[in-house]
Amino acid sequence: EDQVTQSPEALRLQEGESSSLNCSYTVSGLRGLFWYRQDPGKGPEFLFTLYSAGEEKEKERLKATLTKKESFLHITAPKPEDSATYLCAVQARSGNTPLVFGKGTRLSVIA
Amino acid sequence: DTEVTQTPKHLVMGMTNKKSLKCEQHMGHRAMYWYKQKAKKPPELMFVYSYEKLSINESVPSRFSPECPNSSLLNLHLHALQPEDSALYLCASSQGQGGNNSPLHFGNGTRLTVT
Repeated sequence: EDQVTQSPEALRLQEGESSSLNCSYTVSGLRGLFWYRQDPGKGPEFLFTLYSAGEEKEKERLKATLTKKESFLHITAPKPEDSATYLCAVQARSGNTPLVFGKGTRLSVIA
Repeated sequence: DTEVTQTPKHLVMGMTNKKSLKCEQHMGHRAMYWYKQKAKKPPELMFVYSYEKLSINESVPSRFSPECPNSSLLNLHLHALQPEDSALYLCASSQGQGGNNSPLHFGNGTRLTVT
C-alpha cells in the first residue's frame, strides 16, 4: 500500500530562520511527487512536481529535493507570509492511481 | 484567484434539502476530481472523471451524486446529507488522469455545513 508520512506535524519558526520539512514515502514505482501549499479556508496551491531521485526545484524561498525514499522542502529565510500547511502527495506509476496525500506540516513563521 | 472556480463559496443546508455544488475550469484539462477535506486533515478523494466519464468512485455514499455535463464543468449533487458531511469540498482538474505532467489544480472549495 502506498503511504506518505510528513514531519513534523507543526513547525514554528522565527522570521529568517531557515528549516526543512520532510516527506517520507513508500510507493510501488514513483510516477511523481507533488508539493502543495494550503492557506486556511482555501484550496491547495500547486508548488512543485519531482519525478526522479536527485531532482531539485526552486521557487522564491522554497526548494524541493527528492531521494528514493523521501523529499524535503527547504525554506530559506522564511517570512510570515510563508505560514501555511504544506502538503506532500505521491502518485504511483501503475495505472491511473490517484494521489496519496500526507497529513501535512502546519508552518507558522513569527515576525 | 485560481483557474478552477467553485460555487458557492459557502453553503448551509438542512438534512432534507437538495443542493448542488458547481465547478468550472477553462484550462482544457480532461480530468476532474471531487475531494472532501475535514479540518486539519488532507483532502480525501471522492470521484474522478476522465474525458467526461466517471473513472473512480471511492465508495462514496449515494447521497453524493456527481455529474460531468462537459469537459469544463463538474457538479456534485447533494441530497439527505448528515451533519458529519460538513466539510470543505474541493474540485480539482488535471491535464489527464495519471500523466507525468498532470499536477492537480484545485479550486478554493465550497464550505458546506449540514444542520
